[in-house]
Amino acid sequence: DGGITQSPKYLFRKEGQNVTLSCEQNLNHDAMYWYRQDPGQGLRLIYYSQIVNDFQKGDIAEGYSVSREKKESFPLTVTSAQKNPTAFYLCASWTPGLAGVNEQFFGPGTRLTVL
Amino acid sequence: KNEVEQSPQNLTAQEGEFITINCSYSVGISALHWLQQHPGGGIVSLFMLSSGKKKHGRLIATINIQEKHSSLHITASHPRDSAVYICAVTEAGSWGKLQFGAGTQVVVTP
Repeated sequence: DGGITQSPKYLFRKEGQNVTLSCEQNLNHDAMYWYRQDPGQGLRLIYYSQIVNDFQKGDIAEGYSVSREKKESFPLTVTSAQKNPTAFYLCASWTPGLAGVNEQFFGPGTRLTVL
Repeated sequence: KNEVEQSPQNLTAQEGEFITINCSYSVGISALHWLQQHPGGGIVSLFMLSSGKKKHGRLIATINIQEKHSSLHITASHPRDSAVYICAVTEAGSWGKLQFGAGTQVVVTP
């Protein structure tokens, strides 16, 4: 079955360490997105990529970096410059479909805790 | 101001009750999504809507494009329905960029 894989489900890191969250899709989707969830707030866009080797900053990109070397993979690195990295991170993908019926899928998410 | 507003923020129901969660949005959309998030758990996609109504088991989702409003109904609620329900919209022409509501915390008591 096609879908998005995010691993691990829970991730713990020490303060000051960089950490990379994985997002893999086997849907052949063009666009991929990273969102962050904080308690009591809606998810917010960190970075997105509409095509391989290209990506754009979202609303809260500071302290994060991404790469899109392969269509199926869009890893997110949380750097030590991110002041409050403890959060839930969601990866999503999208592609234009036939007759205007687009496809949008969601990963299960990764909960990152920085100690 | 958030482009996607959900109400209520919190909801407690007794087992068997009918539950309604509302979502209003202010942007043009190509699709609206209802997602479920269990405590400490991940996201599960429940529905994607662009018009009309969809039903899956005890869950029903409706959307009124003209009024920019959607509702998620849970019939015969059960304690396992306790979760956060999130409304999200795909902005029209955005290549899949999503705007999310803050979520509705639902607790169903036995």
